[in-house]
Amino acid sequence: GQQLNQSPQSMFIQEGEDVSMNCTSSSIFNTWLWYKQDPGEGPVLLIALYKAGELTSNGRLTAQFGITRKDSFLNISASIPSDVGIYFCAGQNYGGSQGNLIFGKGTKLSVKP
Amino acid sequence: DVKVTQSSRYLVKRTGEKVFLECVQDMDHENMFWYRQDPGLGLRLIYFSYDVKMKEKGDIPEGYSVSREKKERFSLILESASTNQTSMYLCASTRATGGYFTHEKLFFGSGTQLSVL
Repeated sequence: GQQLNQSPQSMFIQEGEDVSMNCTSSSIFNTWLWYKQDPGEGPVLLIALYKAGELTSNGRLTAQFGITRKDSFLNISASIPSDVGIYFCAGQNYGGSQGNLIFGKGTKLSVKP
Repeated sequence: DVKVTQSSRYLVKRTGEKVFLECVQDMDHENMFWYRQDPGLGLRLIYFSYDVKMKEKGDIPEGYSVSREKKERFSLILESASTNQTSMYLCASTRATGGYFTHEKLFFGSGTQLSVL
């Protein structure tokens, strides 16, 4: 089945640093999504991308839908302690019997004050 | 504020017990989902439902069943719990639009950490 490779698996950074993470797939997706899971909570949608090449921002977060439609990137600028959590990418293809979301395995972000 | 509520945050059960995990959403969403989350494996879909009394298998349905008798409630059932079902279970819901499942605006509950001893 389809799989997403999300990297890095974990990051330990200093407060104020910028963060980059990405997801790649061997399959094409029509939608890319980025979720964040705070410790002890369920994931929350951060950014949704619907078009190849699209660049979308949400505050200090910026995500891009790769031109090939097989990858996506998330950047966080000037990290702060509350950025701690697990970030998941997810891809979706419309059509088919389910139109299911495929999740990456997550990037665990730790921020040192 | 929209809400997906899972009945228990932590649950400890014994091997062989029948376990019910309950999920309720107050957004009148058509679609509801059960995922399990394990370190290093991400989120894996167990079952989903797009209407009352309807259910579809996800990627890892073995050892689980579900029930959707009312629109707002989706239950996950472990008929005979085993230690390899120790995990974080996440319920989610989303509105259905058009002819496809629109999963993008998934709303998740806070999760139930299940330990099977």
